[in-house]
Amino acid sequence: GAGVSQTPSNKVTEKGKYVELRCDPISGHTALYWYRQSLGQGPEFLIYFQGTGAADDSGLPNDRFFAVRPEGSVSTLKIQRTERGDSAVYLCASSPMVPRVGEDTGEQFFGPGTRLTVL
Amino acid sequence: AQTVTQSQPEMSVQEAETVTLSCTYDTSESDYYLFWYKQPPSRQMILVIRQEAYKQQNATENRFSVNFQKAAKSFSLKISDSQLGDAAMYFCAYRSAGLFMDSNYQLIWGAGTKLIIKP
Repeated sequence: GAGVSQTPSNKVTEKGKYVELRCDPISGHTALYWYRQSLGQGPEFLIYFQGTGAADDSGLPNDRFFAVRPEGSVSTLKIQRTERGDSAVYLCASSPMVPRVGEDTGEQFFGPGTRLTVL
Repeated sequence: AQTVTQSQPEMSVQEAETVTLSCTYDTSESDYYLFWYKQPPSRQMILVIRQEAYKQQNATENRFSVNFQKAAKSFSLKISDSQLGDAAMYFCAYRSAGLFMDSNYQLIWGAGTKLIIKP
């Protein structure tokens, strides 16, 4: 695949339901990020993976949110007991393994996002 | 904590003219990256231009250039010869240089500026 892909493109669910959002990063990229973008705002960081482990999950808003990346490639963001306030676009990005200082371009490559609507 | 501020919710420009989008940031770090991303209605975040803080020379990419003022913590984007395809949300983002093992590579975003191109 040429770029980061995310499925589904759109997800409509009812309050209280469980949802899973999937991200397939660029092949070979070891770093993966999830962001949440509410209407009319900039993205907000949720969680960062380096390989299989969550290097930083400080952005997850509460324990209803959880993300995994079991094989160091595809990641799934899981939201339990969804609330109307969870409605947003969820963006995934990937970047190459952070190289030695001086080689890091800093760029993250984004997928098209999943628009989650909680009714 | 670092913050990014975009004070212009919306800007409009006549096709073929020049427009400047403003961005200021706050950080105590000396080394970092700054980015401008474009987000069309398709939701895909597209990198427009990148600046490394240690470089004094302003970055340029074809019709896009930045005015990076490190002391003033200002990072504006100039778009020359505006085209209809430039219409989108533009986001300014900050990332730490990541010089330490426990560095966080998340992007910190402004609220965005909606750019309208008048034909």
